[in-house]
Amino acid sequence: DVKVTQSSRYLVKRTGEKVFLECVQDMDHENMFWYRQDPGLGLRLIYFSYDVKMKEKGDIPEGYSVSREKKERFSLILESASTNQTSMYLCASSFLGTKRDNEQFFGPGTRLTVL
Amino acid sequence: GQQVMQIPQYQHVQEGEDFTTYCNSSTTLSNIQWYKQRPGGHPVFLIQLVKSGEVKKQKRLTFQFGEAKKNSSLHITATQTTDVGTYFCAGRWENQGAQKLVFGQGTRLTINP
Repeated sequence: DVKVTQSSRYLVKRTGEKVFLECVQDMDHENMFWYRQDPGLGLRLIYFSYDVKMKEKGDIPEGYSVSREKKERFSLILESASTNQTSMYLCASSFLGTKRDNEQFFGPGTRLTVL
Repeated sequence: GQQVMQIPQYQHVQEGEDFTTYCNSSTTLSNIQWYKQRPGGHPVFLIQLVKSGEVKKQKRLTFQFGEAKKNSSLHITATQTTDVGTYFCAGRWENQGAQKLVFGQGTRLTINP
């Protein structure tokens, strides 16, 4: 079974703090993704990566950066957390290209609260 | 950027009633996926539709992809309490590459037993 794990289920940070969210997958997937989920807005893509050290902006990258130093690990960084970044953050991974259905496998999510 | 509009946002039904959620894109999709998220859980892949007019079934769930590949629907026949959750469609377009999915807003289904 594919397993995607995220470093924390719940996180509380203060405005201005630097925040690291970590994601690890164990299925040798090339692609990894970071989404945020807010009520009524669905899942919105922040950044994704299709290879080590490669990254591409998603639909809402402002205020975020990412790091992918190893294939299995993808980190989301909030350089200076703000209250409007309070949200559920979901990591996902998938194979590259058209292998199988190219479905995305999601982690359990990190609920981040910025005070 | 490309968007997928999903309706309704909420649906409450009596157990045993049918349920349908719809997704629309203003431009032609290359394929569309459907995910289910149980309350407190994470999205789980259900199915992918690729061909124009495609219809796929999974037990009581029927997934359709429109002839123009601009819309899709998920229909659940005779809902059960295990169907509770939020259903998302997620689309891909040729000009956005094979990796990126754009999710609809989701339809949250609640069921009165």
